[in-house]
Parts: sequence; C-alpha cells; structure tokens
Amino acid sequence: QVQLVESGGGVVQPGRSLRLSCAASGFTFSNYGMHWVRQAPGKGLEWVAAISDAGITQAYTDSVKGRFTISRDNSKNTLYLQMNSLITEDAAVYYCAKERGPFDAFDVWGQGTMLTVSS
Amino acid sequence: EIVLTQSPGTLSLSPGERATLSCRASQSVTSTYLTWYQQKPGQAPRLLIYGASSRATGIPDRFGGSGSGTDFTLTISRLEPEDFAVYYCQHYGNSLYTFGQGTKLEIK
Repeated sequence: QVQLVESGGGVVQPGRSLRLSCAASGFTFSNYGMHWVRQAPGKGLEWVAAISDAGITQAYTDSVKGRFTISRDNSKNTLYLQMNSLITEDAAVYYCAKERGPFDAFDVWGQGTMLTVSS
Repeated sequence: EIVLTQSPGTLSLSPGERATLSCRASQSVTSTYLTWYQQKPGQAPRLLIYGASSRATGIPDRFGGSGSGTDFTLTISRLEPEDFAVYYCQHYGNSLYTFGQGTKLEIK
C-alpha cells in the first residue's frame, strides 16, 4: 500500500543540526513532488518545504529559508530535510506528504516524527 | 502573502446535525488550489476535498466543498461520531502553501 514513514526526529540543542528522512513505498516516488509540513504542539499545520519530482526545484517557507534544505534520492525512494541552526520555534511534529500533482493537494501523509529543540 | 482565516474557531454540534465550516482568503484565490483536510488527535491530516469541491478517494458523500474567489465552505451534511475533528483549509499560490488556523468540530 502507499506509505510514507518518517524518521530522524529527536531532542537537539538550539543551534545544532538534524536530518529527517521519509521513506516512500507503494507508488512511483520519482513521479511526484514531495513536501514537509510541521505542527508545533497544540498548534495548526505549517507548510515547511517542497521539492519537485526530479528534485530540481525547491521552495521554503520564509522562517526556514537559509537554514533548512529539502532533498530527495529517487533511487532510494527517500525524502530528506536537513535542518541547521535549529531554534526553539522549530520544535514540532514533522510530516512528509506526497502531492497529487504539481501545486495540488497532499494526498498521502506520513505518521510524523517529533523534533524537540531544547538546551 | 495570502492569509486564510477559518471560522468558527470551534463548532459544537450533535451527531446527525449539519456542519458548515468557512475558509476566507485575504485575496481572491484559484479554486483549483483550495484544499480541505481533516485531522484527528494523534493522527496525520487526511485529505478530504481538493479543487475546492472534489472529494478525495474514499471520502463519504456527506462531505462537500464549495466556494470561489475569497469564500469557501466545507459542509458535512449529517455528522457521524467519527467526523468530530479539526479541519484545515489550504491554498497554493506564488510558490507558497498556506494553511488556515483550523476549525475544531466538537460534540455538543
């Protein structure tokens, strides 16, 4: 079945780095754009970053530009989010999501991985 | 940047009643890129409606979406116990994806 499984979350100190991964299965990963969406505790959803199917184009929300990098390895069916210079406001559950098509809705979501930023 | 404002913040209804949730955009948006999601506690969001009015695969027909321009509506015709959750609208525009702040639908 179509599935996304995130990993890599944990507790990290402010200013440090962490890389999240999202393993995809059940669909042709290289055909779809992918996204990261986060949700701080008790808060709403916030789109973080997107990458096109071939990995050529990326987009970011303003608050993470210059600190986060989205990438993918289509040979491994895996999406990544490299997070540098982490701040307390980055603490959240991070979801990866598959888009139905370019600029379209997110039709498949992972279960999420939790990031805590604390000294 | 387009801002999506959802109302009400919380909606208290009973099973069997009709629910009407609003999503208002700060400027006119393309209906093609207006989406609704449902999220239950401890779960990932679930796609309900895309293109403002098209139901996603497996979504019951009691869920309906409508609207255009700046005003969009998610309607649940007869609430089932499993429908009580938080609902988010989302829009794509200018290389950015924006979510509304959510409407919590709770049992009265």
